[in-house]
Amino acid sequence: AQSVAQPEDQVNVAEGNPLTVKCTYSVSGNPYLFWYVQYPNRGLQFLLKYITGDNLVKGSYGFEAEFNKSQTSFHLKKPSALVSDSALYFCAVRDYMDMGRRALTFGSGTRLQVQP
Amino acid sequence: KAGVTQTPRYLIKTRGQQVTLSCSPISGHRSVSWYQQTPGQGLQFLFEYFSETQRNKGNFPGRFSGRQFSNSRSEMNVSTLELGDSALYLCASRPIQGEQETQYFGPGTRLLVL
Repeated sequence: AQSVAQPEDQVNVAEGNPLTVKCTYSVSGNPYLFWYVQYPNRGLQFLLKYITGDNLVKGSYGFEAEFNKSQTSFHLKKPSALVSDSALYFCAVRDYMDMGRRALTFGSGTRLQVQP
Repeated sequence: KAGVTQTPRYLIKTRGQQVTLSCSPISGHRSVSWYQQTPGQGLQFLFEYFSETQRNKGNFPGRFSGRQFSNSRSEMNVSTLELGDSALYLCASRPIQGEQETQYFGPGTRLLVL
């Protein structure tokens, strides 16, 4: 079975500082990994994904994530946080070996609060 | 391209009633998945449809069902509503060729069961 852990319920960072939102995963085979962001009363907005290739993945709005196979992690990062980045962030995984099932397994979410 | 649309956006029902939610995928996307989001259980997969066939199903009771039409639009139905069915129901679509791994989500339907 696949699973995702987001160990921090909330991350607080000052505007202009770098931010990191942590994610670790567990799958039987190789993972497909995703980050989504959710603003209040909205659906999930796709930020970036890792399928294969370079371990550093760049996505929307200046976000990037680093895939680390040995640590089974896929942390979300941004060099300089904006107040408008304040939202709920979800990490998700799918096991690429499980071709018959493309359902995503989501982490519990991390609330990012960027203070002005 | 227009995004995934879901109707209605908000719904209030009472226990025992049934409800039907609708989802229109991004043009050209033939796969539609449904997820339930609650504060307690988080985001959970309900089912996926493409080519009008249910391909995968999550661990939900038979009261939760869905279907997909030939134009890829999808509906999900919940019968005999329970208080615990109060949630945000999210629909996601993806292409089945090309960038087929990325699911794009709609704004959701917020269901309140009283």
